[in-house]
Amino acid sequence: AIQLTQSPSSLSASVGDRVTITCRASQGISRTLAWYQLKPGKTPKLLMYDASSLESGVPSRFSGSGSGTDFTLTISSLQPEDFATYYCQQFNSYPLTFGGGTKVEIK
Amino acid sequence: QVQLVESGGGVVQPGRSLRLSCAASGFTFSSYGMHWVRQAPGKGLEWVAGISFDGTNEYYPDSVKGRFTISRDNSKNTLYLQINSLGAEDTAVYYCAKGRGYFEDWGQGTLVTVTS
Repeated sequence: AIQLTQSPSSLSASVGDRVTITCRASQGISRTLAWYQLKPGKTPKLLMYDASSLESGVPSRFSGSGSGTDFTLTISSLQPEDFATYYCQQFNSYPLTFGGGTKVEIK
Repeated sequence: QVQLVESGGGVVQPGRSLRLSCAASGFTFSSYGMHWVRQAPGKGLEWVAGISFDGTNEYYPDSVKGRFTISRDNSKNTLYLQINSLGAEDTAVYYCAKGRGYFEDWGQGTLVTVTS
């Protein structure tokens, strides 16, 4: 199975900060990577697919990049509603796998 | 709009079985692969089953293979997950999700608690 390693596992940031989350795959997965946002008590939300394609309705402050084994999710200017946990997920091959998550907290 | 509504969760004793359902609406259910993803308390997301649009192909991680069975009834726009030999490690919120590999839409989840 393809392992996804996210870093950091948590971070503290202020409103307006630029935040970058990294996801590393244990083998090359081309651009078959998605990012999700989870908030307590809410339905998970797809942010990005194919590494850098923004899902409809997701604010443009979110961006994704990378291919092969190394990927990043960037929030250009953190907003109060962005405090949440973020997960990457690969869909290159079964079993589908998620990263361990990155919790973004208020500094 | 897409709606996915899970049901069937609850408190169940170890060793018992449970069947979860997911009622889909707002899209052509028979055209999409579907999945189940779970989140145990305080843990991350774990994909546990997937099924092709027509039900001919099923996919599982090794961690649940042999105990979980995913199925679908395209005439009823409903997805199912049969879980056998439940253990404490199966305590989680179970989400159904629509997608061909990544998960475009999610239900609100149904909580399964395994306890004696």
